[in-house]
Amino acid sequence: EVQLVESGGGLVQPGGSLRLSCAASGFTFSSYEMNWVRQAPGKGLEWVSFISSSGNTIYYGDSVKGRFTISRDNAKNSVHLHMNSLRAEDTAIYYCARQAYGDYAYYFDNWGQGTLVTVSS
Amino acid sequence: SSELTQDPAVSVALGQTVRITCQGDRLRSYYGSWYQQKPGQAPVLVIYGKNNRPSGIPDRFSGSRSGNTASLTITGAQAEDEADYYCNSRDSSGNHLWVFGGGTKLTVL
Repeated sequence: EVQLVESGGGLVQPGGSLRLSCAASGFTFSSYEMNWVRQAPGKGLEWVSFISSSGNTIYYGDSVKGRFTISRDNAKNSVHLHMNSLRAEDTAIYYCARQAYGDYAYYFDNWGQGTLVTVSS
Repeated sequence: SSELTQDPAVSVALGQTVRITCQGDRLRSYYGSWYQQKPGQAPVLVIYGKNNRPSGIPDRFSGSRSGNTASLTITGAQAEDEADYYCNSRDSSGNHLWVFGGGTKLTVL
């Protein structure tokens, strides 16, 4: 069974930093691309970042570019999101999502339960 | 504003058919995928590609695409289908730059 378990969320002051982790199990982690997606309270889903299976290709959403860094450790089956210069508007539940491919389409086929990040003084 | 446009809310009578749409230029190049999210839960993939359902998703869920519009159809909506539904697609340039639609809240009456 595929499992994605996020951790590392919490309360942080504006301007602070936080490191989120997503532990993967139940599949060959090194074969899959991974993403982070967030959801502010009462709002919709917002894509945050993508990392290829090897870690060599990375993309970020405009709202986090230059502040967040995605990385992965295929030996430890984990993906991380380093968040710097945090702002109140970064307050959200952060989900990691596995990216899959089939029928000429990419999609997010498995999601973790999320970890809550609150940016407040 | 989101590059994928969804109606904020849609309602359907129990047992009837409802279509939820998602519009955006990137859908001309790539199929969208659809996610169901119930309160307090993580999103769940319901449709991907041309019209594929992951294991465990009822066959009353189906997908289609015409031009720049992707559609999720629920044929015979059930009370448990009441949820938020999101479409997403990646950038038309081929990069893995993703965007989600704003979401549609489905109410089953």
